[in-house]
Amino acid sequence: GAVVSQHPSWVICKSGTSVKIECRSLDFQATTMFWYRQFPKQSLMLMATSNEGSKATYEQGVEKDKFLINHASLTLSTLTVTSAHPEDSSFYICSAAGQGSTEAFFGQGTRLTVV
Amino acid sequence: AQSVTQLGSHVSVSEGALVLLRCNYSSSVPPYLFWYVQYPNQGLQLLLKYTSAATLVKGINGFEAEFKKSETSFHLTKPSAHMSDAAEYFCAVSHDSLFNQGGKLIFGQGTELSVKP
Repeated sequence: GAVVSQHPSWVICKSGTSVKIECRSLDFQATTMFWYRQFPKQSLMLMATSNEGSKATYEQGVEKDKFLINHASLTLSTLTVTSAHPEDSSFYICSAAGQGSTEAFFGQGTRLTVV
Repeated sequence: AQSVTQLGSHVSVSEGALVLLRCNYSSSVPPYLFWYVQYPNQGLQLLLKYTSAATLVKGINGFEAEFKKSETSFHLTKPSAHMSDAAEYFCAVSHDSLFNQGGKLIFGQGTELSVKP
């Protein structure tokens, strides 16, 4: 199956700093990428959808100025958490889909801890 | 709007017993339905998907699910549980099978499956 790689797997940052998470499709061209947030023992909440070369579409309630998403190429999307605060601590997961794909492939997730 | 409800946040079975994880959906358009498994601190792996073909869908690791439109259900089953099946399971719905044309997954709350020896 297709492989999606997220980096880093975990990160600890200080409050007020910014953190960038990368999501790469290793063996296919990801025309669409999705970013999710997952709190402990809870479901995945879709944050935004991005299509290559276009601005991301954010779900209601997600601050686009805080969670910056860039999808500049067909194999890479990035999520930048700006001015992170402890409440931003969470598990962030990306998924990617190619042209005409009926399946979205998930990355391993990134555990963000803001101290 | 679409939504998914998973009945039971936690299910416990004995090794070798039947696994039944329940999922009901709500959708104003024909749904596309998915079951995913998540192991601790990992991403999601697709078990199976329904995309309007056969209503009984067979997936990986011996899992299967049946789409029942009249009951708006898509329950996941496995005849005989294995210790390695212990994980979190998510049911998800999309209004479009093509993820690059607006389709996006809406997840249920998840069901944690425990398997007792």
